[in-house]
Amino acid sequence: DVKVTQSSRYLVKRTGEKVFLECVQDMDHENMFWYRQDPGLGLRLIYFSYDVKMKEKGDIPEGYSVSREKKERFSLILESASTNQTSMYLCASSLRGDNEQFFGPGTRLTVL
Amino acid sequence: GENVEQHPSTLSVQEGDSAVIKCTYSDSASNYFPWYKQELGKRPQLIIDIRSNVGEKKDQRIAVTLNKTAKHFSLHITETQPEDSAVYFCAAKGDVTGFQKLVFGTGTRLLVSP
Repeated sequence: DVKVTQSSRYLVKRTGEKVFLECVQDMDHENMFWYRQDPGLGLRLIYFSYDVKMKEKGDIPEGYSVSREKKERFSLILESASTNQTSMYLCASSLRGDNEQFFGPGTRLTVL
Repeated sequence: GENVEQHPSTLSVQEGDSAVIKCTYSDSASNYFPWYKQELGKRPQLIIDIRSNVGEKKDQRIAVTLNKTAKHFSLHITETQPEDSAVYFCAAKGDVTGFQKLVFGTGTRLLVSP
């Protein structure tokens, strides 16, 4: 059974803080993704990674960076959090190719 | 880049009725179209997908159709049940270099009333 876990379910941070969101998967998946989910906007891809130390920008990468030092772990970093980054953040992983993406439970981030 | 539009944004049906959700995409090179279901407070889960070499795919009460010429695809749910109530997202693979870069629609909230 695929398991994708995220470090926090809820997080409250102050404007300007550096924020780390962590995602871990236990199925040896090559691909990992970070999305943000906002009402009326669906899921929007921030960054993805198709291998260790590899990363590609998604559709809304501004204000974010990522790190993938180990295959099972993909981190999303907000260098200087802003109020417009208040959102639900979803991590996902999949095997290489057109395969099902398995999502984590999400982290609801509030930036005050 | 790829752009996916999804309609309607909300859909209310009576139990036992059929429900249809429609999506259009912009990139004619897109070749993979999954549908995800997200129940309230839960994570999205894949319910069905279709590839561009197939026009229709069925799995019990759900089916997806693809019209490549018109660049649209649809989700059909028959004999709806209250447990079908959820938000449904369509997606298209917007990167033909091989990366699984999905572009999602904005979602359809389906409410099935008993």
